[in-house]
Amino acid sequence: AQKVTQAQTEISVVEKEDVTLDCVYETRDTTYYLFWYKQPPSGELVFLIRRNSFDEQNEISGRYSWNFQKSTSSFNFTITASQVVDSAVYFCALSEAGGTSYGKLTFGQGTILTVHP
Amino acid sequence: NAGVTQTPKFQVLKTGQSMTLQCAQDMNHEYMSWYRQDPGMGLRLIHYSVGAGITDQGEVPNGYNVSRSTTEDFPLRLLSAAPSQTSVYFCASSRHGGYNEQFFGPGTRLTVL
Repeated sequence: AQKVTQAQTEISVVEKEDVTLDCVYETRDTTYYLFWYKQPPSGELVFLIRRNSFDEQNEISGRYSWNFQKSTSSFNFTITASQVVDSAVYFCALSEAGGTSYGKLTFGQGTILTVHP
Repeated sequence: NAGVTQTPKFQVLKTGQSMTLQCAQDMNHEYMSWYRQDPGMGLRLIHYSVGAGITDQGEVPNGYNVSRSTTEDFPLRLLSAAPSQTSVYFCASSRHGGYNEQFFGPGTRLTVL
């Protein structure tokens, strides 16, 4: 069975600090997909990034970057120069490619990030 | 394009009552699913559907029923509400395939007294 663990329940930083959100996953599949979603205080879920298991390239999008390492089963998310608007709950999620797990997302517990001015 | 819509936004039920949470999408997505979000537990999959007429159970299906008669709609029925079903419910849709991002509705906050 697949599992996603976000060990950090809550993180509090001051604006302009860098912050990394950890995500560790377990799966028996060789083909799988990893996602990050953001849930701002308004409550909706916003897709941030997708990565497939064959693509270990890191990705940067503005102040956001993601580090995918298959060797440690981790898919960590870094926010550089954090801003108050980054305050949200962040979820890491895993989807397996085949069989009965097709398309089903397994979420981590979420990390509550608070950025103070 | 409305995306994924859910009604109602809020609902209070008494123990034993039944109700249906509505979900609709206008993106012609094959895959639809229902999740519940509880504090400290992330989102957990209740039921999902890979197309009209096809549904299956997720991680926490007990106490819930679904049906998918059209591509657009995927209602979630609570048969006899219990306080343990107090939660925020999210509906999601995507093109088929685990690679595709899921689009989420705004959520329904349900309280069972």
